[in-house]
Amino acid sequence: EPEVTQTPSHQVTQMGQEVILRCVPISNHLYFYWYRQILGQKVEFLVSFYNNEISEKSEIFDDQFSVERPDGSNFTLKIRSTKLEDSAMYFCASSDVSGANVLTFGAGSRLTVL
Amino acid sequence: TQLLEQSPQFLSIQEGENLTVYCNSSSVFSSLQWYRQEPGEGPVLLVTVVTGGEVKKLKRLTFQFGDARKDSSLHITAAQPGDTGLYLCAGDPTDSWGKLQFGAGTQVVVTP
Repeated sequence: EPEVTQTPSHQVTQMGQEVILRCVPISNHLYFYWYRQILGQKVEFLVSFYNNEISEKSEIFDDQFSVERPDGSNFTLKIRSTKLEDSAMYFCASSDVSGANVLTFGAGSRLTVL
Repeated sequence: TQLLEQSPQFLSIQEGENLTVYCNSSSVFSSLQWYRQEPGEGPVLLVTVVTGGEVKKLKRLTFQFGDARKDSSLHITAAQPGDTGLYLCAGDPTDSWGKLQFGAGTQVVVTP
């Protein structure tokens, strides 16, 4: 069964460092998303992406965050200068139709900021 | 932000018993989804309900969407230890673009 793959599975970084989390969505999907889950808290929407541009973003997705699809297969989330509170599990998801009805989530990338 | 409240937060039952998990909101959703999440993994979609009053069955799991599309329930019949997991509901607001609102989840533990 097709799946969304994410790398790295776990990254530890120092506060202030840049981090790039990578995702390979399902090949025929056109809509891409990033969500995050801080330990013990709800899964939160960060951003949705379609046709090489952001469709919607949450209040969490400030200027420190950016997304891009550099090569037609990867979908990346960059955090420019990490903060302690960025420590979380980051989930990539993709879907083949607009809206959220058929999202497939990846296994997540755990980010630990020291 | 449209909040989804799940109850109970934690449920521990014996194998063979039935259980119901609730997901409530004061807001209307165009659809509502139920996921199951294992530790260290991403949410896995179980079902999507779209129409008010809709009932869907997935083996021993029964999902219902409220008539007003504000609430949902998940009922498990004759629970098995393999049903142990974190069950999440997530609502799709009517004006969103994949912006799911997740509940905090119900941790279900089924003991043999």
